[in-house]
Amino acid sequence: SQQGEEDPQALSIQEGENATMNCSYKTSINNLQWYRQNSGRGLVHLILIRSNEREKHSGRLRVTLDTSKKSSSLLITASRAADTASYFCATVRTLGGSNYKLTFGKGTLLTVNP
Amino acid sequence: EPEVTQTPSHQVTQMGQEVILRCVPISNHLYFYWYRQILGQKVEFLVSFYNNEISEKSEIFDDQFSVERPDGSNFTLKIRSTKLEDSAMYFCASYMGYEQYFGPGTRLTVT
Repeated sequence: SQQGEEDPQALSIQEGENATMNCSYKTSINNLQWYRQNSGRGLVHLILIRSNEREKHSGRLRVTLDTSKKSSSLLITASRAADTASYFCATVRTLGGSNYKLTFGKGTLLTVNP
Repeated sequence: EPEVTQTPSHQVTQMGQEVILRCVPISNHLYFYWYRQILGQKVEFLVSFYNNEISEKSEIFDDQFSVERPDGSNFTLKIRSTKLEDSAMYFCASYMGYEQYFGPGTRLTVT
């Protein structure tokens, strides 16, 4: 089954530094998405990268995808204390038509110290 | 901005009791989902619901679970006889066209 596995499991950095989180998966995908979760809260969609894309930017976020290595990375530049959260990659499997399901990894807990 | 809402935010129940978790998806969305997250573990897919029927369910979603969209706005997850291992955060999500929008979750505690 598809599985996103992030590393590191936890990352602690200083405000202003960049944070890089990696994700590996096992099977072919339609696309890969990154989500953020603040402690005890819901999941917020950050960015989607399609299987035919190699890199995508959104504000301070940069996502790469290497389908040959079945891996993705999320870079947050110039981090802020408010970026403290858990970050999950999720692989997408189509269920038919426009329907799809997400398979999440265990996540990386990012702590940005002021 | 439209959002998915869930009630209650926290539900405590005794083992063997039935619980119903409620969700109001975004109004023009067509696909609805339940996911759960046991404390400290991954978010896991439970079920997908489209056109008033289940389109896919995971092995977790056994006969104790059921979903319903009773009135065109609410989307519910029922657990008939809760077990201790059902304690988790349950997330509802809805989707049309691009990304799945998640609700804030219901924390279910089974004692």
